[in-house]
Amino acid sequence: SQQGEEDPQALSIQEGENATMNCSYKTSINNLQWYRQNSGRGLVHLILIRSNEREKHSGRLRVTLDTSKKSSSLLITASRAADTASYFCASNTGGFKTIFGAGTRLFVKA
Amino acid sequence: DTEVTQTPKHLVMGMTNKKSLKCEQHMGHRAMYWYKQKAKKPPELMFVYSYEKLSINESVPSRFSPECPNSSLLNLHLHALQPEDSALYLCASSQERQAFGEKLFFGSGTQLSVL
Repeated sequence: SQQGEEDPQALSIQEGENATMNCSYKTSINNLQWYRQNSGRGLVHLILIRSNEREKHSGRLRVTLDTSKKSSSLLITASRAADTASYFCASNTGGFKTIFGAGTRLFVKA
Repeated sequence: DTEVTQTPKHLVMGMTNKKSLKCEQHMGHRAMYWYKQKAKKPPELMFVYSYEKLSINESVPSRFSPECPNSSLLNLHLHALQPEDSALYLCASSQERQAFGEKLFFGSGTQLSVL
């Protein structure tokens, strides 16, 4: 079964607005990662947050991790039409197993 | 070079065919992965190779046969597939630091259709 679940499943916003996606996972993790996928092609790594970290920033991205609630969120600020894509959280429980959540489909209207 | 290259990009095959998917990376990564992704679903882990040895097999049917001939190449041999095996097959690589769960670098995938 999937390790992570995400909500919302789909999100439609206007350009310039912020987009927030949430992820929950089931077991203890080593780290949690966020990936982006355009049009069903390859995934691109966005950011990795380790289990002992609570918040991380990268450009317009902000990720938080709450291990007590087994949840994470990805915030994209000042969204652009080019941010339209599917976003997946992926939890790593140690070693090579990185398991992906169901994903959020983001649509940013110009 | 931070690319993972997959060939072919598209593949149509019959249920009696034998075909192979290929993946190549030149980043010096020693861990390589196969994921399967159905439409509007997340990628599902199939196999992991570490230092050219099979490390993880997620109970994948034997009609899928992985091979890692050297540290840069990863193949997935396909035989007697079923229509439900139609999916996007993604290759990925990472540095081999098992304890840290390194980030994955993905190829653009092979879109497979089984008729």
